[in-house]
Amino acid sequence: DGGITQSPKYLFRKEGQNVTLSCEQNLNHDAMYWYRQDPGQGLRLIYYSQIVNDFQKGDIAEGYSVSREKKESFPLTVTSAQKNPTAFYLCASRNPGQGSSGNTIYFGEGSWLTVV
Amino acid sequence: EDQVTQSPEALRLQEGESSSLNCSYTVSGLRGLFWYRQDPGKGPEFLFTLYSAGEEKEKERLKATLTKKESFLHITAPKPEDSATYLCVTYNQGGKLIFGQGTELSVKP
Repeated sequence: DGGITQSPKYLFRKEGQNVTLSCEQNLNHDAMYWYRQDPGQGLRLIYYSQIVNDFQKGDIAEGYSVSREKKESFPLTVTSAQKNPTAFYLCASRNPGQGSSGNTIYFGEGSWLTVV
Repeated sequence: EDQVTQSPEALRLQEGESSSLNCSYTVSGLRGLFWYRQDPGKGPEFLFTLYSAGEEKEKERLKATLTKKESFLHITAPKPEDSATYLCVTYNQGGKLIFGQGTELSVKP
């Protein structure tokens, strides 16, 4: 089955530590996204990538970094510069080249990051 | 300013009690209005896409409708398993996704 796989589901980070969240998709989608969701709040865009080897900052990129070396992979690194990283992180993808049906964005199951 | 506003923030229903969720949007050049269902601790699950005023889509007990300024998600005879947060999403003219804050639906048996 095609889909988006995020790992790990739960991750604990110590102060001053960098951690990387994995996002893999086998939907052959060109565009991939990372969102942050805090309890009781809406989704906020961290980074997005429209094509391999290219990515742009979203609304809350500070303290985060990404790479897009392969079409199916878009890992997110939460660096020590991110002062309040405890949140639920969602990866998503879509295929803009599919016309109107490509406007639909599909989400992974999410990763919980907690600072300890 | 491009914006999506959902109401109510929370809705409690008895099983079988039909109701509607509202999504008001102010974006230029609508490129699709999307409804998602999100269960606690999980990623949003795609439900519907609506593109033009007057369009309607149905799936089991859910029916989504679209006007020029609003979308409604009608829930007919809901069951406890319909309890979730329902998200309304659209794009602005620059291609950026605009999310509503969601409506948390709770259906009691």
